Amino acid sequence: GDSVTQMEGPVTLSEEAFLTINCTYTATGYPSLFWYVQYPGEGLQLLLKATKADDKGSNKGFEATYRKETTSFHLEKGSVQVSDSAVYFCALRVSGAGSYQLTFGKGTKLSVIP
Amino acid sequence: DAGVIQSPRHEVTEMGQEVTLRCKPISGHDYLFWYRQTMMRGLELLIYFNNNVPIDDSGMPEDRFSAKMPNASFSTLKIQPSEPRDSAVYFCASSSQEDYGYTFGSGTRLTVV
Repeated sequence: GDSVTQMEGPVTLSEEAFLTINCTYTATGYPSLFWYVQYPGEGLQLLLKATKADDKGSNKGFEATYRKETTSFHLEKGSVQVSDSAVYFCALRVSGAGSYQLTFGKGTKLSVIP
Repeated sequence: DAGVIQSPRHEVTEMGQEVTLRCKPISGHDYLFWYRQTMMRGLELLIYFNNNVPIDDSGMPEDRFSAKMPNASFSTLKIQPSEPRDSAVYFCASSSQEDYGYTFGSGTRLTVV
């Protein structure tokens, strides 16, 4: 079946540090890949997405590149801020036969300290 | 667009009571999903609908859980009778065939005492 594996947290960084959160996947078909962010007390919000190999998704200074050869979609940001403290979820979606189900990783909690 | 609207935001109930969670999806979205989030298990898909029809309910934990979608703008998730282990945050999300992602509601935090 489809699955997503992301690095376990929590991750604690100082403000302006470089962020990488690793994500790898297995999929039965050709997936679209996503990163979602969940701020405390809120629902998940779509952060960025990529729908085919070598696509780069980007938003709010975050980037992730769809690497089919390594089945990876690592999230990066060059300089984190305290406001980036949240839980980040990697996810995939394989469309076909009417299935639009997202498969999520377990989430990685990021804490950014001033 | 007001987004996906869930109610109530918080619910505290006694064990054995019936609990009903509500969701209004984004207008025009034809997929609706119910998720449960706990520290131990993370995000779990409970059930999803397409055009108001349940497609996959394999994630519903047991017969105490039921979900309905009587029309395109409303869905409910009911737990009867509730148990302490049902305590979690329940999220509703909606999507369309053209979307590549979901839009989540803010969730209902359920506490069963």
